[in-house]
Amino acid sequence: AQSVTQLDSHVSVSEGTPVLLRCNYSSSYSPSLFWYVQHPNKGLQLLLKYTSAATLVKGINGFEAEFKKSETSFHLTKPSAHMSDAAEYFCVVRRPGTYKYIFGTGTRLKVLA
Amino acid sequence: GAVVSQHPSRVICKSGTSVKIECRSLDFQATTMFWYRQFPKQSLMLMATSNEGSKATYEQGVEKDKFLINHASLTLSTLTVTSAHPEDSSFYICSARLAGEETQYFGPGTRLLVL
Repeated sequence: AQSVTQLDSHVSVSEGTPVLLRCNYSSSYSPSLFWYVQHPNKGLQLLLKYTSAATLVKGINGFEAEFKKSETSFHLTKPSAHMSDAAEYFCVVRRPGTYKYIFGTGTRLKVLA
Repeated sequence: GAVVSQHPSRVICKSGTSVKIECRSLDFQATTMFWYRQFPKQSLMLMATSNEGSKATYEQGVEKDKFLINHASLTLSTLTVTSAHPEDSSFYICSARLAGEETQYFGPGTRLLVL
């Protein structure tokens, strides 16, 4: 069965320092993976997606993620955190053969001034 | 592009009443729309998938008579919570998918509080 595990429920970083949000997936097939961000009282916004093309995926707002099959990981990174990055981040895998999403439990990113 | 709206953004109702939530794709035709439920500080749980002109398919454990879904057009899906009870209080989020794409575009959510 497909699933994603977000290893950290909360991450705190100082403004200007790198961000790392970890996600491991479980899938019998080559997965489609996504990262979404949810700001308070706002809808989810797509940051980036992996669909078996390049393993390093660049997204919006300076975020990127690397698909590592050997480690079954799809970690989200950003070189320098901004205050506006504070939000909830979800790693998502698409259920094969369907268009349904399976969400991770989310990581709340806090950016300290 | 790919904007999805929901209405209302927030609703308070009395126990036993029904509440309708609308989900609209504003600038595209959505082949499929999805309805999710999110409890405080938790992840999104898929409730049902709706395709225009056909019956919705519900995830295991979701009462279809409780959560009525209508997908009348390629730009509108509605979720009606019937005979709402306090345990139905939650954040309901819809998403929409274009034909040929796997990416879902999400609405801003509707917060339901049942008193």
